[in-house]
Amino acid sequence: NAGVTQTPKFQVLKTGQSMTLQCAQDMNHNSMYWYRQDPGMGLRLIYYSASEGTTDKGEVPNGYNVSRLNKREFSLRLESAAPSQTSVYFCASSGFWDETQYFGPGTRLLVL
Amino acid sequence: KQEVTQIPAALSVPEGENLVLNCSFTDSAIYNLQWFRQDPGKGLTSLLLIQSSQREQTSGRLNASLDKSSGRSTLYIAASQPGDSATYLCAESATNKLIFGTGTLLAVQP
Repeated sequence: NAGVTQTPKFQVLKTGQSMTLQCAQDMNHNSMYWYRQDPGMGLRLIYYSASEGTTDKGEVPNGYNVSRLNKREFSLRLESAAPSQTSVYFCASSGFWDETQYFGPGTRLLVL
Repeated sequence: KQEVTQIPAALSVPEGENLVLNCSFTDSAIYNLQWFRQDPGKGLTSLLLIQSSQREQTSGRLNASLDKSSGRSTLYIAASQPGDSATYLCAESATNKLIFGTGTLLAVQP
């Protein structure tokens, strides 16, 4: 039982490049989330998916897109990376009856 | 706008001391409040979740309380240990979305 897994662990991009961050959970959770964590700003919600087939914007969605591929997987895509998107990205999931959010280990992204 | 504030931003205590971390929130329609621990370079680990209908939750040496009327939650750590050193984050939930505070960095000195 791996919980929430994220790939890659670390990535360096040049401005304008694109990439997809992958997230998967094996806890049969309905809801999944993408957050970014920046010094002094705390964690901020980018997008979330309350169930398979649905996605909604969070606090800071601009510059990102998401796909809930199936119940297990929720990906985050940066179409044209900007230095302001340098951050640590966390994926999380939660179940219907247990609202505790379980977090992955994070992806550290540096945009030059 | 919903806001969550954690004071102090950093705290250093000697081993064995009991301590309290504070969290305040502005949303009176809070659904639940969660406390997390984050070790350097790692993800978040859930510690306790308090539903809006509850006043406290306990797990081992940890006790979290919730006072909706005053917009405050506290995390009490008994008999602190060096292994408790980490950043502690609180987050309030409304409609399935978490709003995080910026955390309290705790250092427990041996």
